[in-house]
Amino acid sequence: GDSVTQMEGPVTLSEEAFLTINCTYTATGYPSLFWYVQYPGEGLQLLLKATKADDKGSNKGFEATYRKETTSFHLEKGSVQVSDSAVYFCALSWNNAGNMLTFGGGTRLMVKP
Amino acid sequence: DAGVIQSPRHEVTEMGQEVTLRCKPISGHNSLFWYRQTMMRGLELLIYFNNNVPIDDSGMPEDRFSAKMPNASFSTLKIQPSEPRDSAVYFCASSLRQGSVLNYGYTFGSGTRLTVV
Repeated sequence: GDSVTQMEGPVTLSEEAFLTINCTYTATGYPSLFWYVQYPGEGLQLLLKATKADDKGSNKGFEATYRKETTSFHLEKGSVQVSDSAVYFCALSWNNAGNMLTFGGGTRLMVKP
Repeated sequence: DAGVIQSPRHEVTEMGQEVTLRCKPISGHNSLFWYRQTMMRGLELLIYFNNNVPIDDSGMPEDRFSAKMPNASFSTLKIQPSEPRDSAVYFCASSLRQGSVLNYGYTFGSGTRLTVV
């Protein structure tokens, strides 16, 4: 079945460092891909998405490119801030799966000043 | 729109008591999902509804858990009787399904933190 694998955390960075959180997926065909962010004490929020190969999703300085050849959707940010400290979830939606999102296990990011 | 609204935000109850969690999805959304989140097991899908009809409840841990969606604007998740291992954060999410495509993802509520003592 479909699955999403994320790098294990926590990822600890200093402010202004470059961020990469790896995400790879297993799915038949062409799923839509998403990144969600969960700040402490809150629910998950959609951060960005890409619906077809080579699409780049971007929001709040974060980017991720849908790479079909490597089945990846890595999240990147050029300069992280303390306020980016959160848990990040990669997810996919396989269009024939009845409106379902399959989530990865989440990666905790901690940014130190 | 106020987003997905869950109540209560926090619930502390004694083992054996009945607990009811409530969710109001975004108006116009036609799918609703209940998730449970714990440190040990992460994010687990419990049940989801399309057009108020339960589609898949295979994630519901046992018969003590039940969920209903009597109309498009309200859903409940009930635990009876509650046990300490049910302590978790419970999230409700809603989405708009257009055909077979989920282009916009889910909108999550802020969650209910349940503590069973």
